[in-house]
Amino acid sequence: SQQGEEDPQALSIQEGENATMNCSYKTSINNLQWYRQNSGRGLVHLILIRSNEREKHSGRLRVTLDTSKKSSSLLITASRAADTASYFCATGAQGGSEKLVFGKGTKLTVNP
Amino acid sequence: KAGVTQTPRYLIKTRGQQVTLSCSPISGHRSVSWYQQTPGQGLQFLFEYFSETQRNKGNFPGRFSGRQFSNSRSEMNVSTLELGDSALYLCASSLGQTTDTQYFGPGTRLTVL
Repeated sequence: SQQGEEDPQALSIQEGENATMNCSYKTSINNLQWYRQNSGRGLVHLILIRSNEREKHSGRLRVTLDTSKKSSSLLITASRAADTASYFCATGAQGGSEKLVFGKGTKLTVNP
Repeated sequence: KAGVTQTPRYLIKTRGQQVTLSCSPISGHRSVSWYQQTPGQGLQFLFEYFSETQRNKGNFPGRFSGRQFSNSRSEMNVSTLELGDSALYLCASSLGQTTDTQYFGPGTRLTVL
């Protein structure tokens, strides 16, 4: 299975601190995506990084991808209480025709 | 553009009944995927439709089925409901490739009593 696995399962930090979440996967990928889900709602796409990219930024988000280690990390800088959510990585297999596979997520709590 | 919409938002059914959930994708999106989310199993892929054809299928029993219409709207059906089918059912649309960015709807919360 190419399923991504996030680490840690849960993370609790103070407002203003940085939060780092990791994702590992098993097979070659076309791209890796990160999504956020607020409690009981739909997922929101955060960022997509392609297999030939190593790092990508979007606002306070920084994503890295290491295809040799089959891992990715999501860094949220200067966290806010509104960042409290579950974060999922999703991997797309090479070829782009297979299903996107989601990990079980990291539950981030940012305390004010 | 309007986002992905799902109806109904909440549903309560009893065991043995069947249910149909509806999803309207973002205009221009031709791929619609369905996911089941539960606390225990996380987010599990059900199936994906592209141009009215099922392109990918997850590991769910045949009680779970779906279809896509010519306007890209999609429905999923669950027959003979079981207690374990209680979950948040999420629909997502994308432009074309399965691995494109997925745009999710708010979900349908199904409770089976």
